[in-house]
Formats: sequence, C-alpha cells, structure tokens
Amino acid sequence: EAGVTQFPSHSVIEKGQTVTLRCDPISGHDNLYWYRRVMGKEIKFLLHFVKESKQDESGMPNNRFLAERTGGTYSTLKVQPAELEDSGVYFCASSQTVGTQYFGPGTRLLVL
Amino acid sequence: GENVEQHPSTLSVQEGDSAVIKCTYSDSASNYFPWYKQELGKGPQLIIDIRSNVGEKKDQRIAVTLNKTAKHFSLHITETQPEDSAVYFCAANSYNSGGSNYKLTFGKGTLLTVNP
Repeated sequence: EAGVTQFPSHSVIEKGQTVTLRCDPISGHDNLYWYRRVMGKEIKFLLHFVKESKQDESGMPNNRFLAERTGGTYSTLKVQPAELEDSGVYFCASSQTVGTQYFGPGTRLLVL
Repeated sequence: GENVEQHPSTLSVQEGDSAVIKCTYSDSASNYFPWYKQELGKGPQLIIDIRSNVGEKKDQRIAVTLNKTAKHFSLHITETQPEDSAVYFCAANSYNSGGSNYKLTFGKGTLLTVNP
C-alpha cells in the first residue's frame, strides 16, 4: 500500500511569489490533514478535510493560505503571496477514522 | 484549546540503556495519544499510540503509559539501538468547537541520540 505522498519535496521562492503544495493521501482515506512545522517549533495543525469538505480550518494562519481538495482525492495548499514567516516544513497526513494519522515526507518551503 | 508539553528536548543515552520521554496535556477531554518518530529528511512515523481507556501499551521494545488523572503520558524505549536515534513527538487529539476530535496537538519534540 502506497503511503502519503507530497510534492514538491523542497521549494525555494522569493517573498511575494506563489507556491502550491500537493498531497496525495493513502487510497481510501477520507480524512486529510495539513500541518506545518516552523523551525525549532512544534508541528501545528492547519486544517482537516473530510472528503472534499473542510471540516476544521481553525489552524490556517491567514487568508494568504488556500487549501482545496476537489473530488475528495488529492489536496493542494497554495500560499499567495508568500512571506518570510511562511518558511517551514508542510506535512500532509491522512486517516480512515479518528485516530491513526499517517504522515507524508513533507515539503520544505523556504521563502527568501 | 489543548496544550502539550514534552520533556526533555534532548536526550543522549548509551546503546542498550533505556530512554524515557514525558508529556503532559491540558484538556481532560483528549482521549487519543500517539507517538511519532521522525528521522532526518522524513515525515513523522507513528510508532505507538494509546487511548484513554488503557493505562499501558507495549510493542516489543517500546511502551507507552498514560495517567489520565495527572494528564501525563510517557514513552519508554528499552535496549536502545543507534537506529533509535531520531526526533520523537508526542501528541494528543483535541476537540474543536464543532465537536470533531481529529486535530492533533503536538509537543515540541525530543531529539534522542543513542551512542554506540
């Protein structure tokens, strides 16, 4: 069974540019999550999809972040325009039910 | 909301020794506590989890204990090996205003180094 995959693995952009991160969850997992770890700090929840619906987006920092999951399969997280403080590692996770969340390898974003 | 504190931030042990990492949580409604291991350049990998109706769970060299009264849970690794070296995160689920409890709140992580 393939795990959670994320693309790209790394992204370096300049302040003000746009970046789109992609996450493919484990097949059959209706629940998809985005988390972020800023340098040296804890992994923080951003939002949660159930199929194509946003169940909880309480962790989204501001309106520069837009997450979508059209069709209930893969998800994208767009940052527009990117700011320096957006740098960090963005993780995607998926689960079938409440409980075990399987994480992807992450996208390392650096905003210069 | 939930707050998870994790200690120590770094831990160095000799191969074969035991390692213990401790976490406390604030929300008494939390009922699921996973532990993740993150190796360099990889994503967090679930190594063991425990639910609030259980006090202890063991899987080979790894065990987790939960004290609901004290809101405290710990990871125990016995007979440590160099490949156990990684960052370990504890987490607790928490409820949002809508009653959903899928959200995980993480501790800040513990860098474990096992010296050969």
